Amino acid sequence: AQSVSQHNHHVILSEAASLELGCNYSYGGTVNLFWYVQYPGQHLQLLLKYFSGDPLVKGIKGFEAEFIKSKFSFNLRKPSVQWSDTAEYFCAVNAQAGGSYIPTFGRGTSLIVHP
Amino acid sequence: EAGVAQSPRYKIIEKRQSVAFWCNPISGHATLYWYQQILGQGPKLLIQFQNNGVVDDSQLPKDRFSAERLKGVDSTLKIQPAKLEDSAVYLCASSFKRLGFYEQYFGPGTRLTVT
Repeated sequence: AQSVSQHNHHVILSEAASLELGCNYSYGGTVNLFWYVQYPGQHLQLLLKYFSGDPLVKGIKGFEAEFIKSKFSFNLRKPSVQWSDTAEYFCAVNAQAGGSYIPTFGRGTSLIVHP
Repeated sequence: EAGVAQSPRYKIIEKRQSVAFWCNPISGHATLYWYQQILGQGPKLLIQFQNNGVVDDSQLPKDRFSAERLKGVDSTLKIQPAKLEDSAVYLCASSFKRLGFYEQYFGPGTRLTVT
């Protein structure tokens, strides 16, 4: 069975600092990769996704992530965070199983950005 | 377009009681997911439906949890009898296949407290 590891459980930054959240997965087959964000009191929503092509993907609000197949990683980055980026961030992997894709989430990273 | 609807939003029950949650996915989404999210953890997939068939239920505690999606549209998740460790947020999501991948849309969740 596949698994997803998020290395940073709690991150505290000041505004304008750079952000990188690590995500590694274990699955040797075809995967789709996602980062989701959950702002306080809101639903989980998609931040960005990768399924093929350019391994550097750009999402909403200036976030980007790079898929490194050889390292089974999909790290999330943002060059300059804002107070409004305070949220929970979840990495997720959809692993192909037969004709379907089965999702697995990491445990999440809580990001607090101080103004 | 309307999002994923879930009800109730909150539920408090005593252990050994039963409870049911309802989910109405986005119109046209063939795939429906139920997740359990315990505080401080990522969402854990309980069951995945494709139309009204089960794709994966390997992490569903079948001695107490059941789920159905009879007409391939809305779905119910039931717990009977509940245990203290079932206290969590139960998330429903739906997706459709676009350009080779499945993008999930999440509902607001049902927060269950078992006392």
